[in-house]
Amino acid sequence: KAGVTQTPRYLIKTRGQQVTLSCSPISGHRSVSWYQQTPGQGLQFLFEYFSETQRNKGNFPGRFSGRQFSNSRSEMNVSTLELGDSALYLCASRTGAEQFFGPGTRLTVL
Amino acid sequence: DAKTTQPPSMDCAEGRAANLPCNHSTISGNEYVYWYRQIHSQGPQYIIHGLKNNETNEMASLIITEDRKSSTLILPHATLRDTAVYYCIVSRVSNFGNEKLTFGTGTRLTIIP
Repeated sequence: KAGVTQTPRYLIKTRGQQVTLSCSPISGHRSVSWYQQTPGQGLQFLFEYFSETQRNKGNFPGRFSGRQFSNSRSEMNVSTLELGDSALYLCASRTGAEQFFGPGTRLTVL
Repeated sequence: DAKTTQPPSMDCAEGRAANLPCNHSTISGNEYVYWYRQIHSQGPQYIIHGLKNNETNEMASLIITEDRKSSTLILPHATLRDTAVYYCIVSRVSNFGNEKLTFGTGTRLTIIP
């Protein structure tokens, strides 16, 4: 079974731009969560989607948004990028207690 | 979700058992203990989880104290590939399952050849 895939793997943007990251969960998994990892703040929960509905949300500003499609694929969007948004963005899918993480998208904001 | 306390770093000789402690003194009755690890620059990997009974799988064993205020992850025969940051997480499980993981700073385990 294929694992969680994330695209792109690396991305460079400039301040003020917006970015969209994509996550394809493991086949059959309907829950997709997003996390941000930075050296200063560690791994932080962004939000979770289940059956196209946002079910849980972390403490991030409204510039961070997401959505989930009927095939369970998910995207997250960050608008008006700031230098502090440079991070590894991780997506995880699950069907039960275990979350399966993708390799992440490393976003650099210049 | 309850907070956890882990030592920032530990070393273990290759081939020996690695015992990683975690304190979660404010854990609630409906919160599970989860362990994940993250090898450098990769996504976290699930290891094991439990509620109050000890658990074992092909990767590790989880020992939870009777009062559930602390636990120990045991890697029985550590190899160099076990070098990683290990996260102990306590998380509530709702009707929808475990919804979010609150990661702390973890323990950086280094396996020494």
